[in-house]
Amino acid sequence: AQTVTQSQPEMSVQEAETVTLSCTYDTSESDYYLFWYKQPPSRQMILVIRQEAYKQQNATENRFSVNFQKAAKSFSLKISDSQLGDAAMYFCAYILTGGGNKLTFGTGTQLKVEL
Amino acid sequence: GAVVSQHPSWVICKSGTSVKIECRSLDFQATTMFWYRQFPKQSLMLMATSNEGSKATYEQGVEKDKFLINHASLTLSTLTVTSAHPEDSSFYICSGSRQETQYFGPGTRLLVL
Repeated sequence: AQTVTQSQPEMSVQEAETVTLSCTYDTSESDYYLFWYKQPPSRQMILVIRQEAYKQQNATENRFSVNFQKAAKSFSLKISDSQLGDAAMYFCAYILTGGGNKLTFGTGTQLKVEL
Repeated sequence: GAVVSQHPSWVICKSGTSVKIECRSLDFQATTMFWYRQFPKQSLMLMATSNEGSKATYEQGVEKDKFLINHASLTLSTLTVTSAHPEDSSFYICSGSRQETQYFGPGTRLLVL
């Protein structure tokens, strides 16, 4: 069974600084996708970034980028120039390629952004 | 693109009554939709996978007779909590799947008195 581990229950960052959230996963499959979702206080789950396992190039979305290390099964999220609106719970997630498969979530990291 | 709506966003009901929650994919067709439950400060717990035109697949421990799921079209799935009890009070979230990615609705807060 696939598992996703987020070892940082809480993280803090100063506004305008950079923070990295960690995620590791365990799978015996080679074809899958990885995601970071953000859940602000409104509790709406928002897709932050997506990475296909077959792509070596790390995904980037504006201030958000990932460090995908397939051999190490590591998928960290870097947030640059942190803003107050980045404060949220961040979930790392994994899905096996094939359509209709289940997302496996990590336990989440609560990110606080301080002035 | 890839917007999912849920209705209602808030519902309060009396114990013993049934409540229906709708999940719609607004700008894409979702062959597969998913229903989750989330307790405070916890991750999402998958309840069931809903496929258009077929019966839902429930996760272990989820009562299918209590949580009725219908996926009548490629853009609509419904979750009906039957004979609701206070322990069913929770935050329910649906998602629609498109190109291996799940897009989530804003969630429904259910309070059973």
